[in-house]
Amino acid sequence: GDSVTQMEGPVTLSEEACLTINCTYTATGYPSLFWYVQYPGEGLQLLLKATKADDKGSNKGFEATYRKETTSFHLEKGSVQVSDSAVYFCALRVERGGYQKVTFGTGTKLQVIP
Amino acid sequence: ETGVTQTPRHLVMGMTNKKSLKCEQHLGHNAMYWYKQSAKKPLELMFVYSLEERVENNSVPSRFSPECPNSSHLFLHLHTLQPEDSALYLCASSQGTFHTDTQYFGPGTRLTVL
Repeated sequence: GDSVTQMEGPVTLSEEACLTINCTYTATGYPSLFWYVQYPGEGLQLLLKATKADDKGSNKGFEATYRKETTSFHLEKGSVQVSDSAVYFCALRVERGGYQKVTFGTGTKLQVIP
Repeated sequence: ETGVTQTPRHLVMGMTNKKSLKCEQHLGHNAMYWYKQSAKKPLELMFVYSLEERVENNSVPSRFSPECPNSSHLFLHLHTLQPEDSALYLCASSQGTFHTDTQYFGPGTRLTVL
């Protein structure tokens, strides 16, 4: 079946450090890949997405490249800020029987300290 | 009001109570979803509605009963819940059910079952 594996957190970084959160997936077919962010007390917000191999999604300084050969979609940011502290979810969507099936990872908590 | 809204934001109920969660989307979308978010577990898709018809029910216990009276509103009726049903319940919507369609999430309802 479809699955998403994320690195376990929490990840603690100092402000302006580089961030990488690993995400790998297993799916049959051609999924779209997403990163969502959840700030404390809020729902999930779409951070970025990529819908086909070699696409790069980017938003707010975050980037992720859809790597079909390694089935990965790692999230990166060159310089994190305290305001980036949140939980990050990797997800895939694929068509199943005429509708989209969504599979999320367990989430990675990021803590950025000043 | 814009986006996806959910009410109430917090709910405490006993195992014999009956309550309902409400979700409303102001985005003109045609598909709506209920998810359950438990601590340290991936988001679990519970129900999918497309054009007000249920298209997916991921083996959810019958004590959860969804209702989608129109494309803007989605309810989750709760009765005789168990303590293990305590979680954050997230509603989402998307334009369609194609795998590239972005889902927009509400802030969630934090449910505690005593």
